[in-house]
Formats: sequence, structure tokens, C-alpha cells
Amino acid sequence: DADVTQTPRNRITKTGKRIMLECSQTKGHDRMYWYRQDPGLGLRLIYYSFDVKDINKGEISDGYSVSRQAQAKFSLSLESAIPNQTALYFCATSRHTGELFFGEGSRLTVL
Amino acid sequence: AQTVTQSQPEMSVQEAETVTLSCTYDTSENNYYLFWYKQPPSRQMILVIRQEAYKQQNATENRFSVNFQKAAKSFSLKISDSQLGDTAMYFCARSGAGSYQLTFGKGTKLSVIP
Repeated sequence: DADVTQTPRNRITKTGKRIMLECSQTKGHDRMYWYRQDPGLGLRLIYYSFDVKDINKGEISDGYSVSRQAQAKFSLSLESAIPNQTALYFCATSRHTGELFFGEGSRLTVL
Repeated sequence: AQTVTQSQPEMSVQEAETVTLSCTYDTSENNYYLFWYKQPPSRQMILVIRQEAYKQQNATENRFSVNFQKAAKSFSLKISDSQLGDTAMYFCARSGAGSYQLTFGKGTKLSVIP
């Protein structure tokens, strides 16, 4: 079983719909992240959380919100999806040495 | 904004040959970590190698090694004896001391040719 699990793996939705991407981890890490990957742009940080009561905006947080329901769960929401939010989304965890451990990604298509 | 630059969008190498991927970065910190991640077509992000900035010795993991030049803020990845399974996107990333938020480069697409 994967240490960092994302659901759904793939999703197609329509403009204006609310979408939630969920992430759970069994690595026991306090730090969790949501990144977005677009072709030619690399990975960009949306939100990060260093513990359950700590939520921080990243580079591209507009249009997104997050919830840290527990140490092991960190969900990303798009309140009203738009086509330019079509991307591959990664959840990740980290330990004190800094390297990220990624989920398998959630590909979102907004029509 | 502090950036990570990968100047080679695409590269190719013959199987069994050696290839070097370039990465430069910007930082005002003295202590930080550098990483190379591999993303094969399966889209999974896989850590290839890690370098701690306070260590002068270059990191090595089997066929993968780095050339870390701290003063030049350069962190290149050398892949020796390239294999077909090395075909992937490679991302360079830098973290900042204390925050551990990684900043990624835009990636280099490596193709290993049989």
C-alpha cells in the first residue's frame, strides 16, 4: 500500500463545480503539502500545513482552500472549478530533513 | 522570488552512455537542501538524490551522482551507464532552512535511446 494516498486519481468535472481532492498518509509526518504540476512549469506550491492547527498559503493559493482534518489527512478543495485549474495535483509529506514523499497524483480536468 | 533554473528543457542520451543535467538556484541562506526528483511516464515523483548544503562531499546513489558547487549555486546531476528506465522528467529542487518548502525547477525531459 502507498504511504501517501490520493483520491481520486483522475477526475473530469465541469466549470463551476465544487471539487475535493483527498490525501491521507501513513508515514507519520507532521508536514503535508499540496502542489500543482503544469507542463513546462514544474511543480508549484498551493498550500502547506506543518501540523493540524497550522495552514499556510503557498505560491498559487487563489481559487483553492484546504482542510487538515487530522495529522494524517489533508484535503484540497476547488470551490468553483475553472478550466485553468486543469492540472496534475500532488499531495506530499515531509520530515525534518526536507525531502518530500509524494502521492501518486490526481489528474483533474475542468471542462 | 527565489528560483531554481533548469536550462535544458529536453535532452537525449544513448543507452550505456553518461549524461549530465544542469541546475542552478538562487538562495540567500547558508543552510539548505538540494534534491533531484525523477518523474517517469507513470507520473510518480521519485527522489533520486539529496545533497545537504553544509556538506562539501558530493552525494552519490549508485549510477547517480551530483556536482555541487555551492559558491556558484550549481547542482548538476550525472547519470552514468544510462538505462532505458531512466527515461523521465527530472526536477531539481531546493529547500530553505527552517521552512522545508521545496522550490522546483521546470524540469528536464530525458530520453534514453536504445
